[in-house]
Amino acid sequence: AQTVTQSQPEMSVQEAETVTLSCTYDTSESDYYLFWYKQPPSRQMILVIRQEAYKQQNATENRFSVNFQKAAKSFSLKISDSQLGDAAMYFCAYRGSNTGNQFYFGTGTSLTVIP
Amino acid sequence: DSGVTQTPKHLITATGQRVTLRCSPRSGDLSVYWYQQSLDQGLQFLIQYYNGEERAKGNILERFSAQQFPDLHSELNLSSLELGDSALYFCASSVLAGVADTQYFGPGTRLTVL
Repeated sequence: AQTVTQSQPEMSVQEAETVTLSCTYDTSESDYYLFWYKQPPSRQMILVIRQEAYKQQNATENRFSVNFQKAAKSFSLKISDSQLGDAAMYFCAYRGSNTGNQFYFGTGTSLTVIP
Repeated sequence: DSGVTQTPKHLITATGQRVTLRCSPRSGDLSVYWYQQSLDQGLQFLIQYYNGEERAKGNILERFSAQQFPDLHSELNLSSLELGDSALYFCASSVLAGVADTQYFGPGTRLTVL
């Protein structure tokens, strides 16, 4: 099975500052996708950003961007201009075509935004 | 609002009982996925259905089963419940079943087994 590791159980950031959440994964597949999901206190899982492994360009969605290092199997999420509404649990996820299209999730990073 | 609905929102039951969780996918989505999120745990993939057929199976216990009906809604049946089955159960849906398809999650059903 694939493994997804989030080594930071908790992170905090000052409002308006930038924070980077780390994620590493282990795979031998060449065709896969990576995702970051946000889970606020409401517990709803919300897609933040996705990255196709075949694309060299890092994905960007407004204040959210990723640093995808394929050789290092690293997929970090950068949140710029942090807002109070960004406070949530963030999950990194992997999905590969040779592993039944299953999602493999990391254990999450709890982000606190300090006013 | 993702467009995926799950009922009930909360469920409290006793050990040994059986419950059914229901999921309605977004309009037009053919794939349904079930996940279990235990307290302070990440999400564990349970099972996927595509257009009524089982497509992928993850860490689903034999006491659990699921199905997808012709109208594409899905049900997850949990039987002989144990305390450890207490968790948040998510349903997600996607248009197709491919690796590139984005999954949209429902609000979850919180199951408490006493």
